[in-house]
Amino acid sequence: EIVLTQSPATLSLSPGERATLTCRASQSVSRHLGWYQQKPGQPPRLLIYDASNRAPGIPARFSGSGSGTDFTLTISSLEPEDFAVYYCQQRTVWPRTFGQGTKVEIK
Amino acid sequence: EMQLVESGGGLVQPGGSLRLSCVASGFTFSDYWMYWVRQAPGEGLVCVSLINFDAVITKYADSVKGRFTVSRDNAKNTLYLQMNSLRAEDTAIYYCAKSIAVAGGDLDVWGQGTMVTVSS
Repeated sequence: EIVLTQSPATLSLSPGERATLTCRASQSVSRHLGWYQQKPGQPPRLLIYDASNRAPGIPARFSGSGSGTDFTLTISSLEPEDFAVYYCQQRTVWPRTFGQGTKVEIK
Repeated sequence: EMQLVESGGGLVQPGGSLRLSCVASGFTFSDYWMYWVRQAPGEGLVCVSLINFDAVITKYADSVKGRFTVSRDNAKNTLYLQMNSLRAEDTAIYYCAKSIAVAGGDLDVWGQGTMVTVSS
């Protein structure tokens, strides 16, 4: 099973600041990695697919990069609605695994 | 608008069974791989099962293998998860999700989820 480790566990930032979230895989997942946002009481929402492609309707302030074992999700300037939990997920091998999540909270 | 609506959750005793359903609309259901993902209260996301477009390929997490069965009825645009021999650790919100591409891929559409509680 591929283990995804996200860091940091919690990120405390103010609106307008830049957020950088990382996801490290225990073995290469090529570019088969997605990023999801989840708010309380809601299902996850796909932000980024295949490591760097924004899903339809996702604002340009969200960007993804990386390949192999190291990936980054960047939110260029935090909006109030961006405070949430973010998960990465690999789809290279079954079982598909998720990281443990990074909570982006208001400082 | 693409939509997934789950149903069938509820309270069940340990050892009991439930059948979850997920009705799809707004896209050609029969073209896409489908997934069940669960989230225990206050916990992260776990991919429980997948099924390919024609049900030839199915996969399960080790924690549910032999107890859960995924199936689909493409004529009814419906995905199912039959859950038997339920345990307390199966308590979670169960989401169905669709792959972004017909050949698989990341999960671009999610239902609102249905809560399953296993308790005596």
